[in-house]
Amino acid sequence: GQNIDQPTEMTATEGAIVQINCTYQTSGFNGLFWYQQHAGEAPTFLSYNVLDGLEEKGRFSSFLSRSKGYSYLLLKELQMKDSASYLCAVMDSNYQLIWGAGTKLIIKP
Amino acid sequence: ETGVTQTPRHLVMGMTNKKSLKCEQHLGHNAMYWYKQSAKKPLELMFVYNFKEQTENNSVPSRFSPECPNSSHLFLHLHTLQPEDSALYLCASSQDASGGADTQYFGPGTRLTVL
Repeated sequence: GQNIDQPTEMTATEGAIVQINCTYQTSGFNGLFWYQQHAGEAPTFLSYNVLDGLEEKGRFSSFLSRSKGYSYLLLKELQMKDSASYLCAVMDSNYQLIWGAGTKLIIKP
Repeated sequence: ETGVTQTPRHLVMGMTNKKSLKCEQHLGHNAMYWYKQSAKKPLELMFVYNFKEQTENNSVPSRFSPECPNSSHLFLHLHTLQPEDSALYLCASSQDASGGADTQYFGPGTRLTVL
């Protein structure tokens, strides 16, 4: 079966750095997406990785290793507004998104 | 204009009611999706429409009935729902669902409670 694993919840301190991991086992691979979802709001697109390596976008970076079935989202200089759920999703061989259950990130002052 | 809008934002209904959820996208996309999001569970894809044609129905019970009159509008008609159908229903759109790693853009969802 297809599976996406990510931690259920993480806590970090304002101003610090946090890494949210995602491991996957899917039938085929056509890219990995990260979304941010604030409580009661729409998931919003953060990043897309299809090749191995690190993609940096401001305070957020996303890393992919296809051989290891592994990705992480790195958030630097954490702000209180970064408190949200972070969803990892893999596009399989049929171009269908397979979703993880999300990681709830709590930022403390 | 917000990219993807959904109405209503909240809905409480009894098991014998009939209601409809509405989604509208202003992004010029050709594909639209319905997802169910339950607490601490992955998003579940329910239906996909591409160029107004339904291309995916992930074994969704017949008490959920989608309708896509054009590429900008998507409805989910609900009837005789069960309490376990209570969840956040998310609509999304993308450029094209016929192949290619298109980014999906989401609406804020309808929080549905079935009593």
